[in-house]
Amino acid sequence: AQSVTQLGSHVSVSEGALVLLRCNYSSSVPPYLFWYVQYPNQGLQLLLKYTTGATLVKGINGFEAEFKKSETSFHLTKPSAHMSDAAEYFCAVSDYRGSQGNLIFGKGTKLSVKP
Amino acid sequence: ETGVTQSPTHLIKTRGQQVTLRCSSQSGHNTVSWYQQALGQGPQFIFQYYREEENGRGNFPPRFSGLQFPNYSSELNVNALELDDSALYLCASSLEPGMTYEQYFGPGTRLTVT
Repeated sequence: AQSVTQLGSHVSVSEGALVLLRCNYSSSVPPYLFWYVQYPNQGLQLLLKYTTGATLVKGINGFEAEFKKSETSFHLTKPSAHMSDAAEYFCAVSDYRGSQGNLIFGKGTKLSVKP
Repeated sequence: ETGVTQSPTHLIKTRGQQVTLRCSSQSGHNTVSWYQQALGQGPQFIFQYYREEENGRGNFPPRFSGLQFPNYSSELNVNALELDDSALYLCASSLEPGMTYEQYFGPGTRLTVT
């Protein structure tokens, strides 16, 4: 069965510092991978996704992620954190079983940004 | 273009009661998926509706049921509410079912069961 593990339920960085949120996946088939952001009391917004092709994926708000098959990882990075990046981030894999294309999410990482 | 909307925003119910949550899909989308997000957890797939038929289900009991209407809006019904049903319920719409179609999420309905 597919699964997603996010290392660190809470990450704190200073404004301007590198943001690194870790995600490892388990999948017996080539995965479709996603990062979503959730601001307080809001739904999920897609940051970026990997389907096929280039392994470095660029998303919105300056975020990017690299698919590393050998490490089964899809870590999210941003060179310089802004206060507005404070939110919860979810890594997800698309469930290949059935026709739904539903998402299997990790437990999330809450990012705090200190001034 | 209107995005995915959900109603109500918040809801408080008593254990044993029944609840109906509503979702309007994005224009042109015929597929709606429902997810449950418990506190401190990632969303979990409940079920999906495609062209008014259930198109797959996650690991949720039958007291979780749904409907999709001809305009592709959808309802999630939960009978015999339990305390553990307290969660944020998210719906997501997509152009079609399947991995290649992006899911667009609504803001969610926060359900509290007391």
